[in-house]
Amino acid sequence: GQNIDQPTEMTATEGAIVQINCTYQTSGFNGLFWYQQHAGEAPTFLSYNVLDGLEEKGRFSSFLSRSKGYSYLLLKELQMKDSASYLCAVLDYKLSFGAGTTVTVRA
Amino acid sequence: GAVVSQHPSWVICKSGTSVKIECRSLDFQATTMFWYRQFPKQSLMLMATSNEGSKATYEQGVEKDKFLINHASLTLSTLTVTSAHPEDSSFYICSFSGQGKTDTQYFGPGTRLTVL
Repeated sequence: GQNIDQPTEMTATEGAIVQINCTYQTSGFNGLFWYQQHAGEAPTFLSYNVLDGLEEKGRFSSFLSRSKGYSYLLLKELQMKDSASYLCAVLDYKLSFGAGTTVTVRA
Repeated sequence: GAVVSQHPSWVICKSGTSVKIECRSLDFQATTMFWYRQFPKQSLMLMATSNEGSKATYEQGVEKDKFLINHASLTLSTLTVTSAHPEDSSFYICSFSGQGKTDTQYFGPGTRLTVL
């Protein structure tokens, strides 16, 4: 079976940095995705990691350690519009999602 | 990224009726598509996977006779919720991916179904 864990909620101030951790135990692994989901909307793609290491894309970076079953999403220079739920998803034969981390950015 | 549309964006229906949700990829041809369901404050749960021209593969616990999926073409898929009940009220989201199992999935905007 699949087990994907991430914190339920995080709060940070505008301009700050927040790191969202994700740990997983899955029967197979073909990559890990991070998605952003605003309330009542569909998820939008942020990043994809299949090899160990850090992938940087603008203000967002994602890290993967396959041996530890661990990933994190790093959000820098937080803006109010970054308030959303962030979903960690692992791909084996299908995409399995964590429950999501709700990030609240305060002024 | 790819553009995916869903119609309708929200629907309210009476218990016992059937509801059809359309999902279209607007700018690429998708070999595989997925239907997810998301209850409030919960994660997306995969309901079924389908390839164009083939029957859908349903996840465990999802009734194939209740949730009818038709992947008519590389750009269109439909989900029909038959004999809907209040417990079927949820957010239904489709996604498309291209060739290759590791391709990114692009999600539609979702359909909010409320069954009275």
